[in-house]
Amino acid sequence: EDQVTQSPEALRLQEGESSSLNCSYTVSGLRGLFWYRQDPGKGPEFLFTLYSAGEEKEKERLKATLTKKESFLHITAPKPEDSATYLCAVQANKQAAGNKLTFGGGTRVLVKP
Amino acid sequence: GAVVSQHPSRVICKSGTSVKIECRSLDFQATTMFWYRQFPKKSLMLMATSNEGSKATYEQGVEKDKFLINHASLTLSTLTVTSAHPEDSSFYICSASRGSPGVSPLHFGNGTRLTVT
Repeated sequence: EDQVTQSPEALRLQEGESSSLNCSYTVSGLRGLFWYRQDPGKGPEFLFTLYSAGEEKEKERLKATLTKKESFLHITAPKPEDSATYLCAVQANKQAAGNKLTFGGGTRVLVKP
Repeated sequence: GAVVSQHPSRVICKSGTSVKIECRSLDFQATTMFWYRQFPKKSLMLMATSNEGSKATYEQGVEKDKFLINHASLTLSTLTVTSAHPEDSSFYICSASRGSPGVSPLHFGNGTRLTVT
């Protein structure tokens, strides 16, 4: 069974204080690993897709990396508007899976000014 | 801009009544849509896969007679919570992919907050 574990559950940062979020996964053949941002009362917003170990993607203050067992989401010099819950999800490389995603529990990030 | 639209964003209903939630893909056709449920401060749990023109595929433990899914067109899937009870109160979110499965990421609607009194 595919499993995704995110840590920490919650993270409080001062504005400008860089940090990293972890996503550990177990999947029988990884088709893709996805990072989403979710604001309270909203649906998840797509950030990145990573397909293979060693791959990196960047968007503004966010950078996602991938190894064979985990992914990191690095937040560089965060601003208060980066406060959100960050969700990691994996998609297995199975024909029957379609686009089915398995989500981790998320990391709630609060950036204080 | 948004690629998946969900309606309504909030609904309050009385116990025993049914509620319908709509999910539309905007400017693209989606043969498959997914319905998720999210409890407060918890992650998303897949409820079912909605397939255009055929029956939905439900995840283990999800009552198909309680959560009716209809995917009547390539841009619309509906989730009907039948005979709702307070324990059905939750945040329901739908998603769809623009492109081929496994190639394009899933995009999510903004969710529907259901409160059953």
